Amino acid sequence: GAVVSQHPSRVICKSGTSVKIECRSLDFQATTMFWYRQFPKQSLMLMATSNEGSKATYEQGVEKDKFLINHASLTLSTLTVTSAHPEDSSFYICSARDFGKGGTGELFFGEGSRLTVL
Amino acid sequence: AQSVTQLGSHVSVSEGALVLLRCNYSSSVPPYLFWYVQYPNQGLQLLLKYTSAATLVKGINGFEAEFKKSETSFHLTKPSAHMSDAAEYFCATSWSNYQLIWGAGTKLIIKP
Repeated sequence: GAVVSQHPSRVICKSGTSVKIECRSLDFQATTMFWYRQFPKQSLMLMATSNEGSKATYEQGVEKDKFLINHASLTLSTLTVTSAHPEDSSFYICSARDFGKGGTGELFFGEGSRLTVL
Repeated sequence: AQSVTQLGSHVSVSEGALVLLRCNYSSSVPPYLFWYVQYPNQGLQLLLKYTSAATLVKGINGFEAEFKKSETSFHLTKPSAHMSDAAEYFCATSWSNYQLIWGAGTKLIIKP
């Protein structure tokens, strides 16, 4: 099946620095990708919808200047956590739908990226 | 607004015993329904999905779920638990197969 890959899987950074997380669709093109945040013992929270070639659509309460999303190509979306603080420590997951030829529109998830801000 | 309720944040069963994870949805029309599994420090993997073709849906790893409109439920079951089933399970719903609404998750613990 289609594969979505995230990198890095784990990152530790100092408070005040910025961290970039990449989400790639490996064998299909994704015009739309989704970024989620998962807090311990909680479900996924949709942060934003990343649209190829245009601005991301952010969910209510998510700071767009804090969480910068870029979807420059059909196979890559990036999430940059700017000026990270300890409260930004979380598990970030991306997903994408395969609507290509032979695709079923199924939602595929990346492996997730665990961010720890010291 | 649509919502998904998963009863029990933790469910513990013995190896070989029946697994039952509960999911109820609130919706005025039958939605798309999904069960995902998340192993530690990994992303989510689709177990199965209901798209109105059949009320009993069979998924991977021996799991299945039954859509019951009268009960607005989509409970996940497996006849015999295996140690490798230990993970967190999420129920999700969607009107349009586009944006998903997630339950809070149920952690399945398998006792030897």
